[in-house]
Amino acid sequence: EDQVTQSPEALRLQEGESSSLNCSYTVSGLRGLFWYRQDPGKGPEFLFTLYSAGEEKEKERLKATLTKKESFLHITAPKPEDSATYLCALRRGGAQKLVFGQGTRLTINP
Amino acid sequence: NAGVTQTPKFQVLKTGQSMTLQCAQDMNHNSMYWYRQDPGMGLRLIYYSASEGTTDKGEVPNGYNVSRLNKREFSLRLESAAPSQTSVYFCASSLGQAGETQYFGPGTRLLVL
Repeated sequence: EDQVTQSPEALRLQEGESSSLNCSYTVSGLRGLFWYRQDPGKGPEFLFTLYSAGEEKEKERLKATLTKKESFLHITAPKPEDSATYLCALRRGGAQKLVFGQGTRLTINP
Repeated sequence: NAGVTQTPKFQVLKTGQSMTLQCAQDMNHNSMYWYRQDPGMGLRLIYYSASEGTTDKGEVPNGYNVSRLNKREFSLRLESAAPSQTSVYFCASSLGQAGETQYFGPGTRLLVL
């Protein structure tokens, strides 16, 4: 069964304190690993799609990486506006749906 | 370009009442989805439509029905609401085949008393 586990559940950082969020997964035949950002009271906002181990993508202070068992979302010198819940999801080959993790709630204190 | 829109934003129902949640996208996407999001449960797929004229069950379809009205619109109906259906409902769409990068609407918050 496809599984996505995100850790930690919640993370508090000081502004400028870099860290990483983890997404561990088990799937037979990965066809995409997705990262989303969700602000309170809003829908998830697409950030990245990764397709193969070793792939990396960057956007502003965020960088997503992928191995055969995990994906990391690295946040460099975060700002308070980076506070949100970050969701990880995967798609198995041949499947017509995404499987989501439960998210990491990130708080950046000024 | 509004993306994915949902109506209503918030609704209160009594047990046994029915209602339809509306979703529309203006991105010319082929696939559309309905999710529910509950604390500690993450996003769970209710139904999806891989193309106009087709619908399929997701992870938690019981108590719901859907209609893909045309390429733009995908509605979710609760025939007899139950307190267990209190949740936040999200509609999403993707360009190509189902399972590709999905773009979400702002959500409908539903409270069933």
